[in-house]
Amino acid sequence: AQKITQTQPGMFVQEKEAVTLDCTYDTSDQSYGLFWYKQPSSGEMIFLIYQGSYDEQNATEGRYSLNFQKARKSANLVISASQLGDSAMYFCAMRDTGGFKTIFGAGTRLFVKA
Amino acid sequence: GAGVSQTPSNKVTEKGKYVELRCDPISGHTALYWYRQSLGQGPEFLIYFQGTGAADDSGLPNDRFFAVRPEGSVSTLKIQRTERGDSAVYLCASSLEPGLSDTQYFGPGTRLTVL
Repeated sequence: AQKITQTQPGMFVQEKEAVTLDCTYDTSDQSYGLFWYKQPSSGEMIFLIYQGSYDEQNATEGRYSLNFQKARKSANLVISASQLGDSAMYFCAMRDTGGFKTIFGAGTRLFVKA
Repeated sequence: GAGVSQTPSNKVTEKGKYVELRCDPISGHTALYWYRQSLGQGPEFLIYFQGTGAADDSGLPNDRFFAVRPEGSVSTLKIQRTERGDSAVYLCASSLEPGLSDTQYFGPGTRLTVL
């Protein structure tokens, strides 16, 4: 069965520093997609980055990069040069070919300190 | 352009009542999803529509929950005989077309409180 695990309930980072948010996943499929979403206090889910299981290079989108280690089934999000506006909940998610549902982890709350 | 909209933003009801939650997806998006997010948790999949049909309703918790999308655009999530455990934020998302990498755009959610 699909499963997403985010083991860090909360993380603190100093403004302008980089931070890594951990995500491990479990699926029996060879073809799957991994996503990261940001949810500010306003509640709206914002798509950040996508990594396909067959993508050979790690995905990057601006200050966001995804450290994809397929053998370890991990898909960590790296945020470089943190900003105060990065303070939010971050969710890792996965979809495989078993259906159309997207499975989300429990999330990590990131606090950026000035 | 306009994003996904959901109405109402907040709904307070009494145990046993019937509620309807509405989702208006981005124009042209064929795929529509409903999720439920309880406090302190990630979104939980409820149902997926491709066009007018429910392609996957495996996440609906029981037969009190039902959703429709009669014209392939607006969708309504219907909850009968509400229970206190139904209290959560109900999120709707849409995407251009289904696929492993399709980006889902979420609405602001409807916060449902069952007293």
